[in-house]
Amino acid sequence: QSVLTQPPSVSGTPGQSVTISCSGSSSDIGRYAVNWYQQFPGTAPKLLIYETFKRPSGVPDRFSGSKSGTSASLAITGLQSEDEADYYCASWDDSRNVYVVFGGGTKLTVL
Amino acid sequence: DVQLVQSAAEVKKPGESLEISCQTSGFLFTDYWIGWVRQVPGKGLEWMGIIHPGDFGVKYSSSFQGQVTILVDTSINTAYLQWKSLKASDSAIYYCARHGLAAADPISYWGQGTLVTVSS
Repeated sequence: QSVLTQPPSVSGTPGQSVTISCSGSSSDIGRYAVNWYQQFPGTAPKLLIYETFKRPSGVPDRFSGSKSGTSASLAITGLQSEDEADYYCASWDDSRNVYVVFGGGTKLTVL
Repeated sequence: DVQLVQSAAEVKKPGESLEISCQTSGFLFTDYWIGWVRQVPGKGLEWMGIIHPGDFGVKYSSSFQGQVTILVDTSINTAYLQWKSLKASDSAIYYCARHGLAAADPISYWGQGTLVTVSS
């Protein structure tokens, strides 16, 4: 059971916008930044959003992150077929010797 | 370019020991926290722990404390994940993961993954 809670799946059609939520607590998201990772089948995860809303070089601005209180969100606008992947949120929690906490992952399906 | 190249897949029996490796290049190894993430095929990511090669400080997730050992060899810029006695439940893909200068920094670079299969 993951520390951060994500919906198991979301879907959308090309061109639409989708949002993936990530719910945590006051000891993780409520206190620290949120990072998002994208993972395609059979490959390693890739950093998609860091420090809650920043994008690494090469990540399209269709991807954006935000946070409010103990919850965070990843928004994807102008959905494309190549966005179909698993998305994981992560944060830090040093209150219980767990350190990096991940969400359970959300499978994005582009219909 | 930053590269994390992991050792090949392993097939082991329960009770056996194992060490997998992550050879790095393209950055100053002793400056960055580096660690391991587990993923059972078809399941989510589980953070295991990290080590700072500069002072060998280690942080383990409580879920993995005492179950594995994270080591580094700074002479060859390589990180290791060790088991003394494998269990079938250790079967998973293990990713080497480089954090930033601070332990709480995001994982900016990932290895390609090492599949470990533990079966009698």
